Formats: sequence, C-alpha cells, structure tokens
Amino acid sequence: NAGVTQTPKFQVLKTGQSMTLQCAQDMNHEYMSWYRQDPGMGLRLIHYSVGAGITDQGEVPNGYNVSRSTTEDFPLRLLSAAPSQTSVYFCASSYYGKSTDTQYFGPGTRLTVL
Amino acid sequence: QQPVQSPQAVILREGEDAVINCSSSKALYSVHWYRQKHGEAPVFLMILLKGGEQKGHEKISASFNEKKQQSSLYLTASQLSYSGTYFCGTAMTTDSWGKLQFGAGTQVVVTP
Repeated sequence: NAGVTQTPKFQVLKTGQSMTLQCAQDMNHEYMSWYRQDPGMGLRLIHYSVGAGITDQGEVPNGYNVSRSTTEDFPLRLLSAAPSQTSVYFCASSYYGKSTDTQYFGPGTRLTVL
Repeated sequence: QQPVQSPQAVILREGEDAVINCSSSKALYSVHWYRQKHGEAPVFLMILLKGGEQKGHEKISASFNEKKQQSSLYLTASQLSYSGTYFCGTAMTTDSWGKLQFGAGTQVVVTP
C-alpha cells in the first residue's frame, strides 16, 4: 500500500494563477479531507468528502474547490491564488464511522504564492 | 470550535516526564493524538474514545476525562525521538473522523 500520496511536493505560484493539488489513497477509505497548516495555527479543515460525488465545506473553504469522482482521488483546486493561501496543504483519508481507526495523512504540499 | 492545548511548548532533558493537555468546550466522542516532526506529515499515536479510556504506546500514554472534556498525553522517561509537535484532534460524533478539529499544537524539545 502506498497510503496517501500527494503531488506536487513543492509549488510556487504567482497571484492570480490557478492550480490543482492532487491527492490519492489506495486504502479504500470513504472519507477524504484537505487541511491547511499555518505556523502556530495547527491544522484547519478546508473541504472533505464522505464518498464519491459527495463533498462539503470545512472551516476555511473560501478560494478552494473540490470534487470527488472516484473513491481514490480527491483533488483540491485553487481558482485564483492569493498570498494568503501560502501554506502547507495536507490530504488525509479515513474509514467512515470506524471507531478503531484514524485519519492517515499524506506527505503534504508546500505552496508559496508570490 | 478548536480544542485548546497546553502548554504551548516544553523543553525536557532525556529521561524526564511531561504532560500535554487538550481541552474542549463541547462534548467529545473521541480524541486523536498525533506527533509531527519538522517538515513531515502528522503521524498517528493513539485514539481515546468516550468513556474515560486510557491507552499507551511504549512510554507514551493518554487518558480521556469525559466529565472535564479533557484529554492528557503523558510522555514518560522521554527519549530524543520524542521531540516534535504534538497535536490533538477532536471529533464530536462517530462519523466525524474525517473532519477532526485540531489544537494549535505543543512543541516538545528533548535535549541530551
């Protein structure tokens, strides 16, 4: 199992550019989530999905779009990048409602918006 | 609402003990503890479920006080490898594993 994979690992964008952060998991998890991590603020939930075709907003969704066409993939789209979106982005996956397991995190994407 | 972690940082000598607390103003179903090394992803340590369960992983253990809605992580006889930032993630229901709310983290530095 590769677990949760994310691409790219690093990205530099100019203000106004768009891009997609890729996330994939091979554990057949129903739940997939995107978090951003800023210094001193812990992890904040952007969007999440409980299955293919079902997505919902988290705590900080503005400026981001998601879709989930398959169980395995959950891409995060930045439509018009802003410097405030400079952060480390983590994708995570988990089983839905399984109390003996937890979320597994990908290695992260470090994004800088100039 | 995000849980509150304390302390923000702690410096230990190898072999010393430390306690990290995670408190919520809302009723919790579970508390998830992670450790993150600099530049890496958070790594899962353990889950505490409603019911005051206590768990352990080597010399790291945790408890969950349902009455206080507080979880504590105990680092016993700390090792250099324990250095990192510890986060608690909380869930209110059984089906909210994918939308954990995380505390701001506690930075732990273990020195020789």
